[in-house]
Amino acid sequence: SQKIEQNSEALNIQEGKTATLTCNYTNYSPAYLQWYRQDPGRGPVFLLLIRENEKEKRKERLKVTFDTTLKQSLFHITASQPADSATYLCALQRDNYGQNFVFGPGTRLSVLP
Amino acid sequence: DAMVIQNPRYQVTQFGKPVTLSCSQTLNHNVMYWYQQKSSQAPKLLFHYYDKDFNNEADTPDNFQSRRPNTSFCFLDIRSPGLGDAAMYLCATSRDLVGQTRNQPQHFGDGTRLSIL
Repeated sequence: SQKIEQNSEALNIQEGKTATLTCNYTNYSPAYLQWYRQDPGRGPVFLLLIRENEKEKRKERLKVTFDTTLKQSLFHITASQPADSATYLCALQRDNYGQNFVFGPGTRLSVLP
Repeated sequence: DAMVIQNPRYQVTQFGKPVTLSCSQTLNHNVMYWYQQKSSQAPKLLFHYYDKDFNNEADTPDNFQSRRPNTSFCFLDIRSPGLGDAAMYLCATSRDLVGQTRNQPQHFGDGTRLSIL
């Protein structure tokens, strides 16, 4: 069956450290994968998109990797700040013909001062 | 600012009493989506409109319906809400469908939290 898993429900790290969140998927063949941030009581906000032929994408302190062999994406936040505390969702295209993205359950990141 | 606006932010209804949630967008996007999100779970796609074309997800209950009278507005109707329908309902837009343009971020509203008494 198809499944998307994100490493853990919650992750606590110290301010200034690098946060690494994982997204693993089974029985999908996405051409694209996206990462979103969701704050409590708010809708998700788009952060980054990475295509299957891209190994890595960066935006300011954010970095995303996409390994289609491992069926995994890693999301890194360097020099983390308390303001980075939120839930981070990965979303992947269902398949090359799929018109929509399906979301993972998210990882709640807490950056401690 | 261009955005996706959902009204109301909080909605309380009674078991079995029909309820309508609304969404408007100023982005002039072709696609509008409705998601259901329960606590600590992934947003689950209910259906989407590409322009006037309606696309229902296979596992969306018949109790959920949608209308899109024009580009800017989309409504979610729950005909007979049950206790299991209590959730956050998120509306999102994208300029085109995934396969049509390579970079298709979705723009979300802040949701309507629905409670069932």
